[in-house]
Amino acid sequence: DGGITQSPKYLFRKEGQNVTLSCEQNLNHDAMYWYRQDPGQGLRLIYYSQIVNDFQKGDIAEGYSVSREKKESFPLTVTSAQKNPTAFYLCATLGGQGATYEQYFGPGTRLTVT
Amino acid sequence: AQSVTQLDSQVPVFEEAPVELRCNYSSSVSVYLFWYVQYPNQGLQLLLKYLSGSTLVKGINGFEAEFNKSQTSFHLRKPSVHISDTAEYFCAVSRMDSSYKLIFGSGTRLLVRP
Repeated sequence: DGGITQSPKYLFRKEGQNVTLSCEQNLNHDAMYWYRQDPGQGLRLIYYSQIVNDFQKGDIAEGYSVSREKKESFPLTVTSAQKNPTAFYLCATLGGQGATYEQYFGPGTRLTVT
Repeated sequence: AQSVTQLDSQVPVFEEAPVELRCNYSSSVSVYLFWYVQYPNQGLQLLLKYLSGSTLVKGINGFEAEFNKSQTSFHLRKPSVHISDTAEYFCAVSRMDSSYKLIFGSGTRLLVRP
């Protein structure tokens, strides 16, 4: 069954701790993306990766880090430097090319930092 | 840079009534246009997209949208809504380049009442 898996669905951390969010896909898609969603603000791009071992900053990369060691995996680390980490985090992949392309989204991880 | 404006944060409507969710965008270059739907605590699902060709685009669940280049709009419509259409709807644009990064509007909550 092809798809995107994000785990866990809910994550709780204490302030000052780093936390890593998982994103795994078996769609054989090259490009992967991380978005952050806050109420009333839509989604904002954190990082994206178009191929293994390469990634680019998005609009709000400060306080986050990523790695792309395997095509299937694109973990996101929320570091203690992120000032307001509580949010809903969504991972996406890019399928198709040209006229058929679209981004596919995972189910998301809700992170709460207290 | 690109930006997307969804003018209505919430749209209440009675079941079986028609609905229009408004989306305007700003871009100095050509873009692709998308509408996504999000149910509570879930990821995003693509409703429809405009990449090229006919300006009237039909999507899933009976939704359609019309691309108006002169008004830089991409409004979403449905002739008769159901209770199950209650969700958050996001308009998004993407530059026609290799990154395929999405820029999202702030979302419109569609609330369908019996």
